[in-house]
Amino acid sequence: DGGITQSPKYLFRKEGQNVTLSCEQNLNHDAMYWYRQDPGQGLRLIYYSQIVNDFQKGDIAEGYSVSREKKESFPLTVTSAQKNPTAFYLCATQGMGSYNSPLHFGNGTRLTVT
Amino acid sequence: SQQGEEDPQALSIQEGENATMNCSYKTSINNLQWYRQNSGRGLVHLILIRSNEREKHSGRLRVTLDTSKKSSSLLITASRAADTASYFCATDQRAFRKLTFGKGITLSVRP
Repeated sequence: DGGITQSPKYLFRKEGQNVTLSCEQNLNHDAMYWYRQDPGQGLRLIYYSQIVNDFQKGDIAEGYSVSREKKESFPLTVTSAQKNPTAFYLCATQGMGSYNSPLHFGNGTRLTVT
Repeated sequence: SQQGEEDPQALSIQEGENATMNCSYKTSINNLQWYRQNSGRGLVHLILIRSNEREKHSGRLRVTLDTSKKSSSLLITASRAADTASYFCATDQRAFRKLTFGKGITLSVRP
């Protein structure tokens, strides 16, 4: 996880509530990403940001929102509009000159909505 | 379907044996990367191979890339029980500045 902190590790919410997942990094990386992982599905990109105050939708952005007010932080809000929010959420960063650079991942937040 | 698809989906071997995992993709890439994930943890980057490279080594890992067949293989030699994990290939597609991951291969190494 080397410098990427995701909190909390486990999160439980009732259906209909919004919830915000935290991702903080001290790697001084420009790009940050949110992925969702479901059993047998691999990783799917939710949102990404390559610079402060700018972000783009990924492949499954519906029902999610993000902000990038600081370089170090990229919080993800799971809204009540997300139909199947229970999943493992992974935050990742990528250094400057993102071409041919690997991603660095946090250890994830497991969200359970009942 | 996924840009990167790994094969097999699951692999079980004895400690000391070699493990070979394959990845196929559909569109042109800048590079292909392999990651490892232990249960309940984040992914860890293992190795990156650029589109103009054919083979790369890192410790017990060997990766090959065949752009004409749009495929890559990851070989782990002399496997250890600690290699038990899920392994993912990810492609950095030329058309998009983001990685696309496959569904992963579950490797079990029996002591």
